[in-house]
Amino acid sequence: AQRVTQPEKLLSVFKGAPVELKCNYSYSGSPELFWYVQYSRQRLQLLLRHISRESIKGFTADLNKGETSFHLKKPFAQEEDSAMYYCALTNAGGTSYGKLTFGQGTILTVHP
Amino acid sequence: KAGVTQTPRYLIKTRGQQVTLSCSPISGHRSVSWYQQTPGQGLQFLFEYFSETQRNKGNFPGRFSGRQFSNSRSEMNVSTLELGDSALYLCASISGGNTGELFFGEGSRLTVL
Repeated sequence: AQRVTQPEKLLSVFKGAPVELKCNYSYSGSPELFWYVQYSRQRLQLLLRHISRESIKGFTADLNKGETSFHLKKPFAQEEDSAMYYCALTNAGGTSYGKLTFGQGTILTVHP
Repeated sequence: KAGVTQTPRYLIKTRGQQVTLSCSPISGHRSVSWYQQTPGQGLQFLFEYFSETQRNKGNFPGRFSGRQFSNSRSEMNVSTLELGDSALYLCASISGGNTGELFFGEGSRLTVL
């Protein structure tokens, strides 16, 4: 069975500090990993996907297949980064991206 | 472009009743997925529809059903409501091509009394 684990429910950092949101997964096939974010009073939205290898809003995430991890990192956190972050996976070999398995989410708070 | 629209936004039902939720995807998106969000279980996949066909189904009882119409609008139905069905039901439409991005609606918050 596939599973996504985000070990931290809450994460607090100060503005300008580095931040790392952890995500571990278990999946028997070839996974495709995503980070979704929900800012206050906004809809859940895609932040980044591992296959695009982009840096979005200063965030990066590297897929480590050996450690089955997909941690989200930013070197200098900003107050506007405060949000709920979800790690999610789907089958990379499938034809559908509609079925995602989500982690429980991490609430990031960036203090001034 | 208008985003994903879900109706109703809030509703209260009693045990044993049934409920129908509606989702209008972004224009041009042919695939729609539904998720249940609760504080205890988080976001859980219900089902996915593409071109009026159910493509994937999550581990929910048969009381949960859905359908998609020719205009890509989708509905989900929950029959014989239970207290545990109280949740935020999110609909997402999926962009074409191979981007894998889900565009979520604001959700329908169902309270079962």
